[in-house]
Amino acid sequence: NAGVTQTPKFQVLKTGQSMTLQCAQDMNHEYMSWYRQDPGMGLRLIHYSVGAGITDQGEVPNGYNVSRSTTEDFPLRLLSAAPSQTSVYFCASSSTGESTEAFFGQGTRLTVV
Amino acid sequence: AQSVSQHNHHVILSEAASLELGCNYSYGGTVNLFWYVQYPGQHLQLLLKYFSGDPLVKGIKGFEAEFIKSKFSFNLRKPSVQWSDTAEYFCAVNGYNQGGKLIFGQGTELSVKP
Repeated sequence: NAGVTQTPKFQVLKTGQSMTLQCAQDMNHEYMSWYRQDPGMGLRLIHYSVGAGITDQGEVPNGYNVSRSTTEDFPLRLLSAAPSQTSVYFCASSSTGESTEAFFGQGTRLTVV
Repeated sequence: AQSVSQHNHHVILSEAASLELGCNYSYGGTVNLFWYVQYPGQHLQLLLKYFSGDPLVKGIKGFEAEFIKSKFSFNLRKPSVQWSDTAEYFCAVNGYNQGGKLIFGQGTELSVKP
């Protein structure tokens, strides 16, 4: 099983450029989420989805856009990259239920110059 | 407000020393609790989890954690650390049926000296 797959692993962008971070899972999980990890701040939720066609904002959604057209994929779009978006991004998925654990991808290290 | 607080930002231990990392949370309602570990340059791996039942949970690599509901705490322990335990440790919480919405603590960096 591949689990949660993120691409690319590394990316350098110039300020103002746009890009899409890809996330795919093969576990048929309903929940998918995007987090960013910054030193001393842990992981913070950007956006999440409880199923295809349903998304909602997390703690730090500004500057990011998501959509969920299939159960498997949950791409994260940066519309106009800013240096403040330099971070490590993790995608996660989990099944529905009262108590479930999240499975994380390998992460994407993004640098905006 | 929902939050998770980890008491120590950086802990330095010698091999064979005992470890305890503190975690307190603020969350309304029934919670699920997790400890994740991130080895240098790698992604997050689940160390252990508490859903219900016995408040003392055992995880991988000899780690355990105790849920104390009255103190809103979920501290991580290991009797004897090894150099290979050098990593960053994250405490996290979510509510029932909130699988996609984890709230993380700031992380504790553990350095184990050989």
